[in-house]
Amino acid sequence: AQSVAQPEDQVKVAEGNPLTVKCTYSVSGNPYLFWYVQYPNRGLQFLLKYITGDNLVKGSYGFEAEFNKSQTSFHLKKPSALVSDSALYFCAVRVLMNRDDKIIFGKGTRLHILP
Amino acid sequence: ETGVTQTPRHLVMGMTNKKSLKCEQHLGHNAMYWYKQSAKKPLELMFVYSLEERVENNSVPSRFSPECPNSSHLFLHLHTLQPEDSALYLCASSRETAPGYNEQFFGPGTRLTVL
Repeated sequence: AQSVAQPEDQVKVAEGNPLTVKCTYSVSGNPYLFWYVQYPNRGLQFLLKYITGDNLVKGSYGFEAEFNKSQTSFHLKKPSALVSDSALYFCAVRVLMNRDDKIIFGKGTRLHILP
Repeated sequence: ETGVTQTPRHLVMGMTNKKSLKCEQHLGHNAMYWYKQSAKKPLELMFVYSLEERVENNSVPSRFSPECPNSSHLFLHLHTLQPEDSALYLCASSRETAPGYNEQFFGPGTRLTVL
């Protein structure tokens, strides 16, 4: 079955340290992968996406993600975390079901940046 | 701001009430979506509209009735809801529904409480 997984419910990182939020996927065909962030009392905001090309994708707010085809992963990273990065992060993948494009979201990972 | 607005931001209603949620996008997009976000559950896609035509209905109970009068506006009409329908309802838009590499832009959501 086609799916996307975020194996960690929560990630805690000290301010200034590098952060990683994990995402793995299982799809038929070429994957289109996305990361979104949700701050409290807000909707989701698009951070970055991978469609094709360079495996390292750069996005908003200093975030980047690395597409790894052999490990079917698309982990979100940032070299130096800020307290303001504390939020809920969603990985999403495009799947083809009955020849229709659908986007399915992971369950989310709550990121806590400790001052 | 993302260019997608939702009203009201908060709504409390009884099980016998009828109410409507409104979404408006100012991005010139052709596709609009309704999602339900409940605590401890993945984001659930409810309805998808493309150029005002409903293209997806994910087995949503008939007490939720969507309406898309034009490509900028989307409504969700609610009637005889149940307490388990309490959730954050998110509206989103994208340039097109397909191909699936178009990122979605989300509104801030309507926090619905059903008593």
